[in-house]
Amino acid sequence: ETGVTQTPRHLVMGMTNKKSLKCEQHLGHNAMYWYKQSAKKPLELMFVYNFKEQTENNSVPSRFSPECPNSSHLFLHLHTLQPEDSALYLCASSQGQGQSYEQYFGPGTRLTVT
Amino acid sequence: KNQVEQSPQSLIILEGKNCTLQCNYTVSPFSNLRWYKQDTGRGPVSLTIMTFSENTKSNGRYTATLDADTKQSSLHITASQLSDSASYICVVSASSNTGKLIFGQGTTLQVKP
Repeated sequence: ETGVTQTPRHLVMGMTNKKSLKCEQHLGHNAMYWYKQSAKKPLELMFVYNFKEQTENNSVPSRFSPECPNSSHLFLHLHTLQPEDSALYLCASSQGQGQSYEQYFGPGTRLTVT
Repeated sequence: KNQVEQSPQSLIILEGKNCTLQCNYTVSPFSNLRWYKQDTGRGPVSLTIMTFSENTKSNGRYTATLDADTKQSSLHITASQLSDSASYICVVSASSNTGKLIFGQGTTLQVKP
């Protein structure tokens, strides 16, 4: 098991709901990431935080709002989602931000938007 | 455009048999290539990482190869086990400070008894 946990593991929400995904890493890393994984498609990077500061937003719609209160915690706030947002949302962390740093993934949150 | 293509999309083999998964990439400038294993309902876990100067790396029954000239990599699984059933993802990173990874779509392997 990795040192990255995600809650909840499964979430079903209506298009008018507001919910949040939580990620916590116990590895002492400084960088954290949100990815979206849809069926039969490559992982898509959504957001990157390094030392609590957002360093990358990959043109993600504003209905997804990330929050990084400290280097160990990362949230993804969801509101007025669309059915096409249904996917596996993966959190990852790494010691630093750069191609030489290994990213460690959490188990993901399976999101279904009805 | 930086891309990673994997083949086959899915594969079924019998327990004990060997198999090879392919990865072609167009990422430039190349930094490193990783193979990840993703079990159903879990996040990806790194199997191997290779830089430009490495052409083979092993992790138990998994052996990855890299040909930086042809921009191709393969993952060979020896004496497959039921627990090898998973999605295998090839990931390439370009030389940059952002650490952005380019993911392939994965190969789904099913090992049957």
